[in-house]
Amino acid sequence: NAGVTQTPKFRVLKTGQSMTLLCAQDMNHEYMYWYRQDPGMGLRLIHYSVGEGTTAKGEVPDGYNVSRLKKQNFLLGLESAAPSQTSVYFCASSYGGRREKLFFGSGTQLSVL
Amino acid sequence: GENVEQHPSTLSVQEGDSAVIKCTYSDSASNYFPWYKQELGKGPQLIIDIRSNVGEKKDQRIAVTLNKTAKHFSLHITETQPEDSAVYFCAASKGFLNSGNTPLVFGKGTRLSVIA
Repeated sequence: NAGVTQTPKFRVLKTGQSMTLLCAQDMNHEYMYWYRQDPGMGLRLIHYSVGEGTTAKGEVPDGYNVSRLKKQNFLLGLESAAPSQTSVYFCASSYGGRREKLFFGSGTQLSVL
Repeated sequence: GENVEQHPSTLSVQEGDSAVIKCTYSDSASNYFPWYKQELGKGPQLIIDIRSNVGEKKDQRIAVTLNKTAKHFSLHITETQPEDSAVYFCAASKGFLNSGNTPLVFGKGTRLSVIA
């Protein structure tokens, strides 16, 4: 049981490049989330999903898109990366019986030059 | 929307001493208050939580207290050990994902260092 797995763990992009971060969970959780963590800013919600095929905007959604085509996967896309998107990105999931308890992945360190 | 303030941003204590981290929230409708611990290079992990119908909750060396009137809640760690060194986040939520409510709103974190 791997829990929440994020790939890649590290990535360096040039301004304007695109990329997709993959989050996979093997716990059959209904809910999935993408957060970004910046120094002094804590964890801020980008997008989330309450089930397969659904997505919703969080606190800081601009510049990101997401998709939840399969229950176990939640993808975060950057269409045209900007230096302001340099951050550590965390994926999390939770289940219906205790949906407020989030299980986090180990993070993706993204640098945009 | 909800706003969660967390203090202090950094905290150093001697091993064996107690540590207290405080958070305030703005939305009186919030009813769920968890605390997450993030060790270096890892994602946050839930360590304890409390709901608005409870004033205090304990789990071994950690405890959380809630004052609904003042809209603040605190994490207490007793007999601190080096392995308690980490970043701690408080959070708040109201009707988690009910009626369109968003998930947890986090504080900015407290870096706790336990000095042996």
